Amino acid sequence: TQLLEQSPQFLSIQEGENLTVYCNSSSVFSSLQWYRQEPGEGPVLLVTVVTGGEVKKLKRLTFQFGDARKDSSLHITAAQPGDTGLYLCAGARGSARQLTFGSGTQLTVLP
Amino acid sequence: DSGVTQTPKHLITATGQRVTLRCSPRSGDLSVYWYQQSLDQGLQFLIHYYNGEERAKGNILERFSAQQFPDLHSELNLSSLELGDSALYFCASSVGGFDGYTFGSGTRLTVV
Repeated sequence: TQLLEQSPQFLSIQEGENLTVYCNSSSVFSSLQWYRQEPGEGPVLLVTVVTGGEVKKLKRLTFQFGDARKDSSLHITAAQPGDTGLYLCAGARGSARQLTFGSGTQLTVLP
Repeated sequence: DSGVTQTPKHLITATGQRVTLRCSPRSGDLSVYWYQQSLDQGLQFLIHYYNGEERAKGNILERFSAQQFPDLHSELNLSSLELGDSALYFCASSVGGFDGYTFGSGTRLTVV
């Protein structure tokens, strides 16, 4: 059983469409991060959220941390082919520094 | 280039053998984390070192061990390899807080 459940697992959309990826848990996290991974490379950090209810924007990407710090969402507006990749959420619990990763959402944006 | 260097990039070895994976963290980062990524398990935490000391262990098999040296580079030793150990092994580094990880490009291990 994954501590962090991501949905959907796979998503294929047309360029210009909007999408939302969800990351859910029954556990509370002290911080939550989103990464994007491309084939043959390591994950790259997109954002860190630490406060319940926090919303962060990174160009066309909007990240939200749930009020109870148990869930998060990633919304992409007007998706582009360059957004294609594996999106991973990852959480830290308590004072621990190691991250627990979700199973990932494989996004494909078709031109 | 993320600043985290992992070698080798690819490794093919036979069952029962032993291999060593190497990681040089980003300059200034004291923490090194090792993760295993497989198709069915996703990214699984193995072990965390901070400034030469082991800080946390995850799902690391007894056949696996790691250490961090005074120059802060780290090595992950995998022994008595089995087919199921085939995976991508990632090293990540961080300054130490909730500032996120910087990952290396990984070592793809294939056990045949």
